[in-house]
Amino acid sequence: DGGITQSPKYLFRKEGQNVTLSCEQNLNHDAMYWYRQDPGQGLRLIYYSQIVNDFQKGDIAEGYSVSREKKESFPLTVTSAQKNPTAFYLCASSPDKGIYGYTFGSGTRLTVV
Amino acid sequence: LAKTTQPISMDSYEGQEVNITCSHNNIATNDYITWYQQFPSQGPRFIIQGYKTKVTNEVASLFIPADRKSSTLSLPRVSLSDTAVYYCLVAGMTTDSWGKLQFGAGTQVVVTP
Repeated sequence: DGGITQSPKYLFRKEGQNVTLSCEQNLNHDAMYWYRQDPGQGLRLIYYSQIVNDFQKGDIAEGYSVSREKKESFPLTVTSAQKNPTAFYLCASSPDKGIYGYTFGSGTRLTVV
Repeated sequence: LAKTTQPISMDSYEGQEVNITCSHNNIATNDYITWYQQFPSQGPRFIIQGYKTKVTNEVASLFIPADRKSSTLSLPRVSLSDTAVYYCLVAGMTTDSWGKLQFGAGTQVVVTP
C-alpha cells in the first residue's frame, strides 16, 4: 500500500543535540511538507518542497533544516538553535498543489530533555 | 491567504447529524475549501474539498453558498468514532499561495452515546 512513513514514532534527545526525523513516501507525489503541532493547537508549517533539490521556508523555519535529494524523501533536522523543539512533527505529501488533498504520515513525537 | 474561523468545540449524540460552519470572509477567487479530520496522535486525514455549491462523498457533505464566504461540513449520523478535531482550510492554487495550508485550532467534535 502507498503512503507516508515517518520514523521513529517517539524520539527522545538531550538539549543541545541535533536530531533528524525521517519522512519517506511511495505515492510518487511531487510536493512534501513538514508541520509542527503543539498540544491543543493546529499545525504550523515548517518547510515545504515542490520538487527535488528545492524547498521553501514556512511560517516557523527558524531552528530547522531540510533536504530534498530524492523525490520520495524529505528529512527534517531539528537543530540546537530551535528553542522549544518538544512537539509532534507531521510530514505530508501531495501530487500537485494540494488540490486533491494532502496525505499525512502518522507523526513523530519529539521530546527534548 | 484567507483566514478561517470555526467553533472551538461541538457536542453531539450518536446518530445525529453534525454541522460545522466555517467562515472565510476574504476568500480569493482561486481559493478552494478543504476539510481535514484528526484523531489524537495521528496525522490529519483529508475529508472533502470544494469550490462552490455542494459536494458529497461517502463520508461527508460540504455546502458552500454563492458568496463563498462560509462553508458548512455536514457529518450524517455520527458515531463514537467520529470524535475528532475537524479543520477547515482555504487553499490557493496560485504560485504564491500553494503549499501554505494554514491549520487553525480546528473544531473538537465529541460524540457521546
